Amino acid sequence: DIQMTQSPSSLSASVGDTVTITCRSSQFISNYLNWYHHKPGKAPKLLIYAASSLQSGVPSRFSGSGSGTDFTLTITNLQPEDFATYYCQQSYTTRLIFTFGPGTKVDIK
Amino acid sequence: QVQLVESGGDVVQPGRSLRLSCAASGFTFSNYAMHWVRQAPGKGLEWVAVISDDGGNKYYADSVKGRLTVSRDNSKNTLFLQMNSLRLEDTAVYYCARDIRQGGYDFNDYWGQGTLVTVSS
Repeated sequence: DIQMTQSPSSLSASVGDTVTITCRSSQFISNYLNWYHHKPGKAPKLLIYAASSLQSGVPSRFSGSGSGTDFTLTITNLQPEDFATYYCQQSYTTRLIFTFGPGTKVDIK
Repeated sequence: QVQLVESGGDVVQPGRSLRLSCAASGFTFSNYAMHWVRQAPGKGLEWVAVISDDGGNKYYADSVKGRLTVSRDNSKNTLFLQMNSLRLEDTAVYYCARDIRQGGYDFNDYWGQGTLVTVSS
């Protein structure tokens, strides 16, 4: 099974900051990597798919990069609505057996 | 617009059963695979199960295999999760999510708001 790790597990930042979250897979997943953010009591929201493609309607301050086993989500000019938990998800397996990373909580400094 | 609405969450005793539903609207339900994802209190998102668009293929996380069963009724645009032999660790908010394949890549583009299952004696 493919395992996902994320770092850091949490971080504190201020409005306007740039933050970077890292995700690593236990085996090669090419660029089959998605990013979501999730706020308590809300539905998770897709931000990035295929490692670097911005989902329609998502602000351009979100960007993703990486391939193989190492991936990065970058948020520039952090906004108040961006304080949430961020998850990576691998979708490499042909049977749609997805795996999420443990999450990175971004809170206000 | 696409809507997914989960229902059926409740407080149940360990060992009992529960069935969750996810009502879909705003898209051709029978064209999409569907997933269940859960979040236990204080924990992260955990993928639970997936069912293909025609219901012919189903896959599960090891933690629920043999106890939870995903199914769908395409005539009623509804996804189900039958939960048997419930354990304390099944306590979570359960989300249904649509799977979309775009350019050869799969991801969950729409999610419901979730339904809470509490397993407690």
